Order: sequence, then C-alpha cells, then structure tokens
Amino acid sequence: GQNIDQPTEMTATEGAIVQINCTYQTSGFNGLFWYQQHAGEAPTFLSYNVLDGLEEKGRFSSFLSRSKGYSYLLLKELQMKDSASYLCAVRAHAGNMLTFGGGTRLMVKP
Amino acid sequence: DAGVIQSPRHEVTEMGQEVTLRCKPISGHDYLFWYRQTMMRGLELLIYFNNNVPIDDSGMPEDRFSAKMPNASFSTLKIQPSEPRDSAVYFCASTNADTQYFGPGTRLTVL
Repeated sequence: GQNIDQPTEMTATEGAIVQINCTYQTSGFNGLFWYQQHAGEAPTFLSYNVLDGLEEKGRFSSFLSRSKGYSYLLLKELQMKDSASYLCAVRAHAGNMLTFGGGTRLMVKP
Repeated sequence: DAGVIQSPRHEVTEMGQEVTLRCKPISGHDYLFWYRQTMMRGLELLIYFNNNVPIDDSGMPEDRFSAKMPNASFSTLKIQPSEPRDSAVYFCASTNADTQYFGPGTRLTVL
C-alpha cells in the first residue's frame, strides 16, 4: 500500500520562510511531486524530484531523500498569495499514476 | 493551449439521477486521469487511461461509477444512480511526461 503523511495545517508570517514536510512509504518510487492548490481551484504543479537533493525554482525549493522516504517544500519570502494547500504526491511505478497526501493548508499572516 | 477542459463546472442533481462529467485533455497527452476530492478523503485517483485504454480502475468506488475514453480528445465519468455521498469536486488531469495538468474541476452536489 501507499502511505503519504504531511501536516494538516501550518501558519507563517509574510516575508518569512516556511518548510512543509512530507514522509512516504510506498511499494516503489519513481518520483515525488509538489502541487499548490488555492481554495476552489485546481492543483497546479510546483516541483518534481526523482534524485536525492535540492531542486530550486525561484522562491520555492524542494528536497528529497529517498533513503529516508522524506521530502520538504521550502517557501522563501512568503507572500499573502502563498496561502494555499500544498499537496505532496508520489509516483510509485512507471505509468504516471500519482498517490497524493492529504495536503498541508498554509496560512500566511501579515 | 486551452489546457484541460471540463464540463459542467457545477452540477446539482437529486439522488438517483444519472450524472455525466466530461473532460477534454490537452492535445498530445496520452494519459488521462479522473480524481475525486473531498475534505474527508482528500484527492483520490479513480481511474486512469493510457492511449484511450483504461489501465487502473481500482479507485472506482463501486459499480455505480463508470468511465470511458472513446478517443484521444474526450472522456466521460458517469455516476448512475447518484447518491449524496458522491458530492465532491471531480478533477480530470492529463500528461504526456512527468507533470500532470489538472482541469478546473466539476463541483457535484447530490441532494
């Protein structure tokens, strides 16, 4: 079976840095994805990791450790518009099927 | 590109009625996915297709749910008969590589 865990909610201050963690236990591993979802909207792709290490893309970075079954999404210079849910998803096998975690709802306060 | 297109965007129906949700994937994408999202269960994969062929339908909750993909540019998800517990947002997504692109979703309310 597949098990993906992430915190339910987080709160951070505008301009600060926040780290959203994701741990997974899956029958295989072929990539980890992060998606952003604003309330009432569709998920949109943020990042993809398949090898260990840090992937940086502007204010957002994503880290992966396959041996630990662990990833995090790092958001820098937080803005109010970053208030959203962040979904961690694992592709266990080839074939593009993703299993999603429950999502972390991030609230950015002034 | 217009992205993934779904219709209708909102659907309100009564218990026992048939509901058909529609999806047009991004042109050239050969994978299509149907998801359901609720507060309680999060985002769940229902079924996915590769080159119009259903590959995994293990997420389809029961026989009341069925999905078809008659060609590369169109798919339907049908619920017959619908029940109040089917109320959710249904997303369609497509990809031809690593990244799945989601449609805007259909918000279904079954009274």
